[in-house]
Amino acid sequence: DADVTQTPRNRITKTGKRIMLECSQTKGHDRMYWYRQDPGLGLRLIYYSFDVKDINKGEISDGYSVSRQAQAKFSLSLESAIPNQTALYFCATSDSGVEADTQYFGPGTRLTVL
Amino acid sequence: QKEVEQNSGPLSVPEGAIASLNCTYSDRGSQSFFWYRQYSGKSPELIMFIYSNGDKEDGRFTAQLNKASQYVSLLIRDSQPSDSATYLCAVRNGGATNKLIFGTGTLLAVQP
Repeated sequence: DADVTQTPRNRITKTGKRIMLECSQTKGHDRMYWYRQDPGLGLRLIYYSFDVKDINKGEISDGYSVSRQAQAKFSLSLESAIPNQTALYFCATSDSGVEADTQYFGPGTRLTVL
Repeated sequence: QKEVEQNSGPLSVPEGAIASLNCTYSDRGSQSFFWYRQYSGKSPELIMFIYSNGDKEDGRFTAQLNKASQYVSLLIRDSQPSDSATYLCAVRNGGATNKLIFGTGTLLAVQP
C-alpha cells in the first residue's frame, strides 16, 4: 500500500461548490503539507501542519482551508470553488527528526472547476 | 528574481550521454537542497538531497552544491529514455520553518 494516499484522484465540479480533498499517510510523519501545481508555476504551498494542533498558511492560502483531524490525516477544503482553482493538488509529509526537510508526496488529485 | 530558478528546457540528450541540470537560488541562508523527478501527471519523487558543498553521488546520479555561487546541479550519467521527465529543484530557505521552495522544473528528454 502507498505510504501517502489522496482521495479523490480526479474531481470535476462546478463554480461555487464546496470541495474537500483528503490525505492520509502511514509513514508516521508529524508534518503534512498541501501544494498545488500549475503549468509554468511549479509547486506552490497552500497550507502546512507540523502537528495536530498546528496549522500554518503557505504562500497561496486564500480560498482554501484545512483540517488536521489526526496525525495521519490532513484535509484541504475549497469553500466555494472557482475556475482558477483548477490544478493538480499534492499532499506531502515529512518527519520531524534528522531528515525533517525531506518531503514525500502523495499521488495527487486533479481538480477541474467548471 | 525568482527564489529558485531552473531552465524550463527541454534539455535533449542522446541515450548514454551525461545530462546536466542546473538550479540557482536567491536565499544565501538556504540549508538543504533537493532534486525530485516528476513524470507527466505523476507526483514528484525524491532522487536525492545534499546539504554540504561539493559532490554527492548515488548510483548514476550526482548532486553538486556550490553555496558561494548559489547553485546546485544534478548530473545523470548513462542517461536512459526512462530518465525522460521533469526534474524539480527544491531549496529549504534559511528561516525557522521547514518550507521548501520549488523551481518550475527542467524537462529532460533522452533520445534513444
